[in-house]
Amino acid sequence: GAVVSQHPSRVICKSGTSVKIECRSLDFQATTMFWYRQFPKQSLMLMATSNEGSKATYEQGVEKDKFLINHASLTLSTLTVTSAHPEDSSFYICSARRDTNSPLHFGNGTRLTVT
Amino acid sequence: TQLLEQSPQFLSIQEGENLTVYCNSSSVFSSLQWYRQEPGEGPVLLVTVVTGGEVKKLKRLTFQFGDARKDSSLHITAAQPGDTGLYLCAGGSTDSWGKLQFGAGTQVVVTP
Repeated sequence: GAVVSQHPSRVICKSGTSVKIECRSLDFQATTMFWYRQFPKQSLMLMATSNEGSKATYEQGVEKDKFLINHASLTLSTLTVTSAHPEDSSFYICSARRDTNSPLHFGNGTRLTVT
Repeated sequence: TQLLEQSPQFLSIQEGENLTVYCNSSSVFSSLQWYRQEPGEGPVLLVTVVTGGEVKKLKRLTFQFGDARKDSSLHITAAQPGDTGLYLCAGGSTDSWGKLQFGAGTQVVVTP
């Protein structure tokens, strides 16, 4: 079945540094990928929609200059958390689909801890 | 923003018991999906329902989509410890990207 790989699975960084998270669709081309953020014992909150070859569309309240998204190819989207702060610590999850009629497949998430 | 409300938020039952999780909204969704998520992992799709009144069965799990496509339920028969997890419902929007709106989730714990 369709597989979405997310890397790294865990990352610890210091305040003020930037962290890049990769999301790859391994066996299909994804024109659209989604990035979510999940706090402990809470649901997934959509951060942005990433479309290959165009700018990402951010949800209300998500700072586009802080959470940089690049959908470089049909199989890769990256999320860069810039100038990270402890409050950015969270579980970040990406998802991808072939097209709007296909199911959404999720990566295994990235646990970001900012110290 | 379309809101999905899940109930209960937390459910703890003994192995062999049945349970039902509800997902309700005031909005109509083009589709509704159920996921199960385990700690430290991404959600795994269990089922997608698209037709009002639709009922789908997946072994001991029964999923129902309301006639008006605003609500759904997940029923587990004879729960097992392996059913433990966070159950999330997600409604599909009708925009061109097919964004999903997630409910808050129901944490299910099945003890032996």
